[in-house]
Amino acid sequence: QKEVEQNSGPLSVPEGAIASLNCTYSDRGSQSFFWYRQYSGKSPELIMSIYSNGDKEDGRFTAQLNKASQYVSLLIRDSQPSDSATYLCAVNDGYALNFGKGTSLLVTP
Amino acid sequence: GAGVSQSPSNKVTEKGKDVELRCDPISGHTALYWYRQRLGQGLEFLIYFQGNSAPDKSGLPSDRFSAERTGESVSTLTIQRTQQEDSAVYLCASSLGAGVAEKLFFGSGTQLSVL
Repeated sequence: QKEVEQNSGPLSVPEGAIASLNCTYSDRGSQSFFWYRQYSGKSPELIMSIYSNGDKEDGRFTAQLNKASQYVSLLIRDSQPSDSATYLCAVNDGYALNFGKGTSLLVTP
Repeated sequence: GAGVSQSPSNKVTEKGKDVELRCDPISGHTALYWYRQRLGQGLEFLIYFQGNSAPDKSGLPSDRFSAERTGESVSTLTIQRTQQEDSAVYLCASSLGAGVAEKLFFGSGTQLSVL
């Protein structure tokens, strides 16, 4: 069974702070890694994708990948109350994506 | 279309009835996926279609579940003899191709409630 593990949270950060979300995965053969944001009652929305070791930045979001340690993280700088949502880590399992259960983020004003 | 379209958005049914859920992928997307999300849980893979290839049915939880797709167009997910544990949001996603690096784009889901 290929696992994608996330801390369920909730992770609470004050507005303007950096939120750090972590994910570990079990399949060393995984090649593609994604972060999705899911607001309550809504469908998942793609935020970031990363395929190579290191950092990838897009606006306030930075994805970090370390294949040797089998973890991927998402940093959200200058967190806003509108960032409050569940963040899903997804890792490819063949051609499909295997999702973690998500981390709930709460950004407090 | 502009996005992945799913219908109905909500479906309430009685235990033992059959239901059919529909997904219309983004135009030009060759791959289509069905996932299930139970309340407060993560996404559970059900089935994957890529063009005219045989689908990957490895995630279907029982033989009561089946899905069809004709070519690269609409897909239907059928649940026969529904049970209360089938209550969940059923999400459809599509992607441009079938590579391991593909980004999935989700529809808004069908909320299924089995009474």
